[in-house]
Amino acid sequence: QPVLTQPPSSSASPGESARLTCTLPSDINVGSYNIYWYQQKPGSPPRYLLYYNSDSHKGQGSGVPSRFSGSKDASANTGILLISGLQSEDEADYYCMIWPSNYVVFGGGTKLTVL
Amino acid sequence: QITLKESGPTLVKPTQTLTLTCTFSGFSLSTTGVGVGWIRQPPGKALEWLALIYWDGDQRYGPSLKSRLTITKDNSKNQVVLTMTGMDPVDTGTYYCAHTLTTLMWAFDIWGQGTMVTVSS
Repeated sequence: QPVLTQPPSSSASPGESARLTCTLPSDINVGSYNIYWYQQKPGSPPRYLLYYNSDSHKGQGSGVPSRFSGSKDASANTGILLISGLQSEDEADYYCMIWPSNYVVFGGGTKLTVL
Repeated sequence: QITLKESGPTLVKPTQTLTLTCTFSGFSLSTTGVGVGWIRQPPGKALEWLALIYWDGDQRYGPSLKSRLTITKDNSKNQVVLTMTGMDPVDTGTYYCAHTLTTLMWAFDIWGQGTMVTVSS
């Protein structure tokens, strides 16, 4: 079962952008998979944000602002969640997810602090 | 409006079998392209996917827990049931059920509030 690596923590100031990463193991090519992103605030269930495969194959969760976007860095075998115009309400845990086969894998999560 | 709600025991003893029920509304699990999954989260830790059942009854399980899990559905009751055998204190956590759709590329778009399960003697 593959492991998706996310930095345990990240921080940025209001109005700035936050770039959260999700690194796939070397035997799984990020280009072949949809990368899903979820936001979770304390005491609440996860909220689906978006999925990203390519610029022509992506989807935004219902009601999710466009300042949340996805991308990939193929050279680093990494999926990326970009949050622009950070707001205090964006402070949360963020999880990536993939379907490597007929099962699902979540990353370890990144705690985003908005300073 | 789609809603899901998890129910089951809050406390189970080690070695017991856990049975959780996800009762949903706003969709039918007999509709083509629909699924319901179970995901858990130990306190302060990451999400872990457990199982998924599709509209056609097909089931998928996480490789590490596959031998302990069974997922079933009852379309007439709008329920999905997850059973987990051989409970251990490490299985303590919040258990969520979530809705998914093929048209959303199988993202878990709607989640229940979760139910906390503690495994202790």
